[in-house]
Amino acid sequence: EIVLTQSPGTLSLSPGERATLSCRASQSVGKDYLAWFQQKRGQAPRLLIYDASSRATGIPDRFSGRGSGTDFTLTISRLEPEDFAVYYCHQYAVSPLTFGGGTKVDIK
Amino acid sequence: QVQLQESGPRLVKPSETLSLTCSVSGDSISGSYWGWIRQPPGKGLEWIAYIYYSGGTNYNPSLRSRVTISQDTSKSQFSLTLNSVTAADTAVYFCARGAGYLIKDWGPGTLVTVSS
Repeated sequence: EIVLTQSPGTLSLSPGERATLSCRASQSVGKDYLAWFQQKRGQAPRLLIYDASSRATGIPDRFSGRGSGTDFTLTISRLEPEDFAVYYCHQYAVSPLTFGGGTKVDIK
Repeated sequence: QVQLQESGPRLVKPSETLSLTCSVSGDSISGSYWGWIRQPPGKGLEWIAYIYYSGGTNYNPSLRSRVTISQDTSKSQFSLTLNSVTAADTAVYFCARGAGYLIKDWGPGTLVTVSS
């Protein structure tokens, strides 16, 4: 099983600031099958990024993903009020599919 | 655009069976992967199982002995059963559509509580 470790656990920032979230895999995520989801309280997760760096349909370009192998990053270039939420990374390269523990981005 | 909606009992007694159904609209159930993910209150996400358009299945080994996923293409539905539930199975259960293994679309989720 691929274990995904996200850091930091919580990121306290102000609107307009840049957010950098990290996801590290316990072994290589082949073909960069790594996705990022955003989840707001009481809602289902929403797909932001897939294949490590491709934005899903309708996702603003302030969201970007990069990385390969075992180290991945989600960057939000300028935080908007609606971006304060919990973010999960997810690998879909190997079964069982796994998720990171999440990074909460909250308002400073 | 595909829409998914979970349905089923919200309260299940310990040792009994949890059964949920996901109704799909806006897409053919015969053309994608369909799955279940759960999230205990205040915690992270756990993938449970997938069923493929061919009828093949894939389960999380941690739950495999207790889980069955199935589909009814005539009703555009797929289902989850989880046997011998305990309080640890209390969670929001999401159904989802996959593009291959990538989870693309989610239902709103339904909270199932295991309690006597």
